[in-house]
Amino acid sequence: AQKITQTQPGMFVQEKEAVTLDCTYDTSDPSYGLFWYKQPSSGEMIFLIYQGSYDQQNATEGRYSLNFQKARKSANLVISASQLGDSAMYFCAMREAGSNYKLTFGKGTLLTVNP
Amino acid sequence: NAGVTQTPKFQVLKTGQSMTLQCAQDMNHNSMYWYRQDPGMGLRLIYYSASEGTTDKGEVPNGYNVSRLNKREFSLRLESAAPSQTSVYFCASSALRGGWNYEQYFGPGTRLTVT
Repeated sequence: AQKITQTQPGMFVQEKEAVTLDCTYDTSDPSYGLFWYKQPSSGEMIFLIYQGSYDQQNATEGRYSLNFQKARKSANLVISASQLGDSAMYFCAMREAGSNYKLTFGKGTLLTVNP
Repeated sequence: NAGVTQTPKFQVLKTGQSMTLQCAQDMNHNSMYWYRQDPGMGLRLIYYSASEGTTDKGEVPNGYNVSRLNKREFSLRLESAAPSQTSVYFCASSALRGGWNYEQYFGPGTRLTVT
């Protein structure tokens, strides 16, 4: 079974609107971390935001926030006020405490921001 | 700080040739990783090094070897390249704090084609 599922291969959003990118995960480890990365067309992987399984509050970093619903095992990325430069591939990833060094990635969502 | 650097950026090999991909980080991170990225597959872990002097297999280690030369450098070797190893290769590093690995920082990637 996939550990990280991103069900939206592609998403479109108008500039200045908010968009939510979905991520669900599967783990039986009570201690884990969830990450989102951005990969623009230039190819580099850029870390965006991190949520720990024991964190009481949803993580926020500037225009990025993580909607963490532990019971549903979802960790959706919300981008507010989309900009043209947000057009990129977005990957959700998870690290479990039982395999502390392994980061498992989803297959990604391609976000296109329209002017 | 240069962060994580990788050489070369591009490489074309013939089947059976060997080569070494170089990676270095200047963030004093304990842990380093090698991933490959194939279309529609997300990133998959090849090998990792939790700390200087240790290396372990990841999800897809067959056909590769690694060397953690020192704390800064982690190389990936293809002994006999095969067309199935055509991919984009990323090196990453992360800090270990309180026994937990946090976000990984990625290099710019190496695009490898094996003909």
